[in-house]
Amino acid sequence: DTAVSQTPKYLVTQMGNDKSIKCEQNLGHDTMYWYKQDSKKFLKIMFSYNNKELIINETVPNRFSPKSPDKAHLNLHINSLELGDSAVYFCASSQAGGGSPLHFGNGTRLTVT
Amino acid sequence: AQTVTQSQPEMSVQEAETVTLSCTYDTSESDYYLFWYKQPPSRQMILVIRQEAYKQQNATENRFSVYFQKAAKSFSLKISDSQLGDAAMYFCAYRTSYDKVIFGPGTSLSVIP
Repeated sequence: DTAVSQTPKYLVTQMGNDKSIKCEQNLGHDTMYWYKQDSKKFLKIMFSYNNKELIINETVPNRFSPKSPDKAHLNLHINSLELGDSAVYFCASSQAGGGSPLHFGNGTRLTVT
Repeated sequence: AQTVTQSQPEMSVQEAETVTLSCTYDTSESDYYLFWYKQPPSRQMILVIRQEAYKQQNATENRFSVYFQKAAKSFSLKISDSQLGDAAMYFCAYRTSYDKVIFGPGTSLSVIP
């Protein structure tokens, strides 16, 4: 059973379109995250939710909107896609507090043309 | 704000030899957690090892061990008996007291047969 699953694995779309990436975890974790990995492999945190509540919101354009319908799901919707949004987007989850490690999904490679 | 630095963008090691990857971080917190993650070409993020800042003992997981110097804010990863499958990007990560996980820029490790 996949612990953290995100779909789709690949997403190719044109500038100006709106797209969503879905993430689900079956680990019973309280906290979920979205990270963006750019072409230089740098991993930057975008958002974090704890039990459906937004707790971390980094400096991200407001075209990006996370939504957490329940603590097992965290989706990412992106409006008006731009070329610079091309990246790999990772979903992750962990237990809140303590030193719990992040468990990552396999990433979604988004290509904007 | 906390930062994580990995000063070696690329490293190489001969198969069966030992290599050490460096990581330094900056924080004003006294209690935190540190991690090393591995990202092979498959882009999957894999936890390698975890260290609790309040524990002086260096963590060890099979061929992987850390050298943790809290006063120097240094957290190095030593890989012994390097194998071809160790070739990957290695990321050092810091978990803050409010569950934000910050990654360093990564070190690309090549293993020479």
